[in-house]
Amino acid sequence: NAGVMQNPRHLVRRRGQEARLRCSPMKGHSHVYWYRQLPEEGLKFMVYLQKENIIDESGMPKERFSAEFPKEGPSILRIQQVVRGDSAAYFCASSPTGPQDEQYFGPGTRLTVT
Amino acid sequence: RKEVEQDPGPFNVPEGATVAFNCTYSNSASQSFFWYRQDCRKEPKLLMSVYSSGNEDGRFTAQLNRASQYISLLIRDSKLSDSATYLCVVNSGNTPLVFGKGTRLSVIA
Repeated sequence: NAGVMQNPRHLVRRRGQEARLRCSPMKGHSHVYWYRQLPEEGLKFMVYLQKENIIDESGMPKERFSAEFPKEGPSILRIQQVVRGDSAAYFCASSPTGPQDEQYFGPGTRLTVT
Repeated sequence: RKEVEQDPGPFNVPEGATVAFNCTYSNSASQSFFWYRQDCRKEPKLLMSVYSSGNEDGRFTAQLNRASQYISLLIRDSKLSDSATYLCVVNSGNTPLVFGKGTRLSVIA
């Protein structure tokens, strides 16, 4: 049973470019969460999605960031016009029912903005 | 007051030692509690859920004190492979998980 998958594992973008991060949840999980972790910092919640719905985006910056979880395919976290401050590790997690459940994390995407 | 607070450490202990971490949380309505471990530059991995009655998994014991709003993790007979950052995680129903910043453990030979 494959775990949570994320790609790419490493992504380098120049300032002003777009970054697209993908996440495929564990089989049977329909709840997806995105987190950001800055160096030497804790994980910060960004957004919680179910298929075709954003449930909670309270942790996501209002501008440049968006997320989706389409009916078919992986969840996508999109960052437009990246800036150096966006450099971080972005982790995706999934759970079988809701946010009260244990969450299982993917290996993360390390975004570097040059 | 931060939602979830942990002593950042580091805790440097010899192999075979017993070590305990505490974590406090501010939201009295919190319902679910977990310990995760995170190795350097890796993803967090679920170590154990924490139940009201306390629970044990091998060398690891987790306790919850709702009255004082703290959670503890006890590691017995520490191994070198236990070296990691331990994250205290709290959930209040339908809200997202809240992660502490973690406590760093280093087990020394």
